[in-house]
Amino acid sequence: NAGVTQTPKFRVLKTGQSMTLLCAQDMNHEYMYWYRQDPGMGLRLIHYSVGEGTTAKGEVPDGYNVSRLKKQNFLLGLESAAPSQTSVYFCASSWKPNTEAFFGQGTRLTVV
Amino acid sequence: KNEVEQSPQNLTAQEGEFITINCSYSVGISALHWLQQHPGGGIVSLFMLSSGKKKHGRLIATINIQEKHSSLHITASHPRDSAVYICAVLKETSGSRLTFGEGTQLTVNP
Repeated sequence: NAGVTQTPKFRVLKTGQSMTLLCAQDMNHEYMYWYRQDPGMGLRLIHYSVGEGTTAKGEVPDGYNVSRLKKQNFLLGLESAAPSQTSVYFCASSWKPNTEAFFGQGTRLTVV
Repeated sequence: KNEVEQSPQNLTAQEGEFITINCSYSVGISALHWLQQHPGGGIVSLFMLSSGKKKHGRLIATINIQEKHSSLHITASHPRDSAVYICAVLKETSGSRLTFGEGTQLTVNP
């Protein structure tokens, strides 16, 4: 029972480099979310998806792009990484918004 | 001012103590979640509630919609309860997006 799996778990990037974070869920959930967690702040929503082929902006979308080509996968892309994107990133999924949310283990990203 | 406020920010307890963590919110909500984040970083859902009270083992969550307040109680606390506890609300106006509190760091000493 994998649940929600994020890859990679750790990454160090140089400013200007690009990367993609992968979130995969095996629960057939419709809703998927990407959050970032920074010290002294609550989780903040970057982008989310309410179903295959759909994406929407959250609170802090600038500098990120997402895609949901398959229902089980939600990709988060950084086209040109900046030190301000140093953070821990969490993916989550749920069947509906008012049902239990399942989180991945997080990706610790450092941009130098 | 944050729409979701948790108190206290940090809490240290002795094993066996009864613990209460509070969450107040300033918006209309359709549901409230309590989450637990362990030192390793993973986040798990403890409760989702929209009214009343829920209990799971030594954990109890209550919500008062009129007062816009929820509490998470831990009875007979244990060092393995040491974690960050996060309150999150589903606002009536936000559709499918949660708004999170900053979390409460709980340390239970043996």
